[in-house]
Amino acid sequence: QKEVEQDPGPLSVPEGAIVSLNCTYSNSAFQYFMWYRQYSRKGPELLMYTYSSGNKEDGRFTAQVDKSSKYISLFIRDSQPSDSATYLCAMSPSSGTYKYIFGTGTRLKVLA
Amino acid sequence: DTGVSQDPRHKITKRGQNVTFRCDPISEHNRLYWYRQTLGQGPEFLTYFQNEAQLEKSRLLSDRFSAERPKGSFSTLEIQRTEQGDSAMYLCASTPGEAGFGYTFGSGTRLTVV
Repeated sequence: QKEVEQDPGPLSVPEGAIVSLNCTYSNSAFQYFMWYRQYSRKGPELLMYTYSSGNKEDGRFTAQVDKSSKYISLFIRDSQPSDSATYLCAMSPSSGTYKYIFGTGTRLKVLA
Repeated sequence: DTGVSQDPRHKITKRGQNVTFRCDPISEHNRLYWYRQTLGQGPEFLTYFQNEAQLEKSRLLSDRFSAERPKGSFSTLEIQRTEQGDSAMYLCASTPGEAGFGYTFGSGTRLTVV
């Protein structure tokens, strides 16, 4: 079993829909959680990071962490065709840790 | 400074040849990371530098792989005697210090071994 599980999709939604992307993890030591967006043939781009449990909002994006369930989510409101990309979750046990564990990524397609 | 720069963007090589990739991190970032990403997978950690010191290497980094970061500035990743299984995207990332605030990744070098 992988430390971080993420549904690879693809997930297709109509423009304007609310998108929910999720990851589960097994290591209870994880405290730092990040979401990256990766366009085809490009490097990942940091979208959001959160520490411990709770919610964080940035524009159309909301990240949620539920440490009791070992479950994190990224919500995208008013989705746009330009949001079509692969979304990767990543996590680490502490800020001093030098490496992240990534999920496999969920491919999202927003249809115009 | 425009971010993390990687060169080349794409490399096609024949099996058995040596290849070298370069990464220029954001100038004030003292931590530099190499990751490998294969199709349909998330990035996997390869190695990490703090300034010029290579502090950790993954078991994914076989003896054919070597990385350097002379003077704590740019870094190179060399693969000797390439194999078809080495075909992947090689990603470089940097952070100013603690990794808890997320990496800045480069655009990657896509290696194809034929």
